[in-house]
Amino acid sequence: AQTVTQSQPEMSVQEAETVTLSCTYDTSENNYYLFWYKQPPSRQMILVIRQEAYKQQNATENRFSVNFQKAAKSFSLKISDSQLGDTAMYFCASLGDAGNMLTFGGGTRLMVKP
Amino acid sequence: GAGVSQTPSNKVTEKGKYVELRCDPISGHTALYWYRQSLGQGPEFLIYFQGTGAADDSGLPNDRFFAVRPEGSVSTLKIQRTERGDSAVYLCASSPGTRGTEAFFGQGTRLTVV
Repeated sequence: AQTVTQSQPEMSVQEAETVTLSCTYDTSENNYYLFWYKQPPSRQMILVIRQEAYKQQNATENRFSVNFQKAAKSFSLKISDSQLGDTAMYFCASLGDAGNMLTFGGGTRLMVKP
Repeated sequence: GAGVSQTPSNKVTEKGKYVELRCDPISGHTALYWYRQSLGQGPEFLIYFQGTGAADDSGLPNDRFFAVRPEGSVSTLKIQRTERGDSAVYLCASSPGTRGTEAFFGQGTRLTVV
């Protein structure tokens, strides 16, 4: 079984600043995938970034990057140059190689302030 | 359509009634997932289809919940004898079926049982 924990229920950041959202996970599998999803008020989950556990290099996607610490089972998301449109719920999720479904954390509500 | 479509967007029903929630996945996606998201929480897995068959239904909470995907495309989640505790957002996602690929989500159906 996999578990995902997000310890920050709410975060806020000033527009154009940088913010880091934390995520820890637990898995007994050797290979797995990690994701960050964004959920705006429209409810639709939108993929922000994806990391394959066997890749040591941290994934980046424009203003979004991750700090993947495999030994510590940590997968934080860094948002640079925060924009008002980044305001949303952010969910960390894992996908085991042996399983088929995503396991989500409890989410972090991010507010970007003008 | 280009994305995953879920209908209805919102559903209010009386306790004890039967409801059906529909999901139209992205054309060609063989994998389809249902998740349930309670207020203030992350989505929780309900059931996974690969083609027409339910490959994993371990997340269904009890036998009042059932889902079908008869032609390997559209899926219907059925809830019998609804209870107030069933109130949640029901999310559907589809993916090409390749391990570790992105799951694309619909906007969900908000079910309210009164």
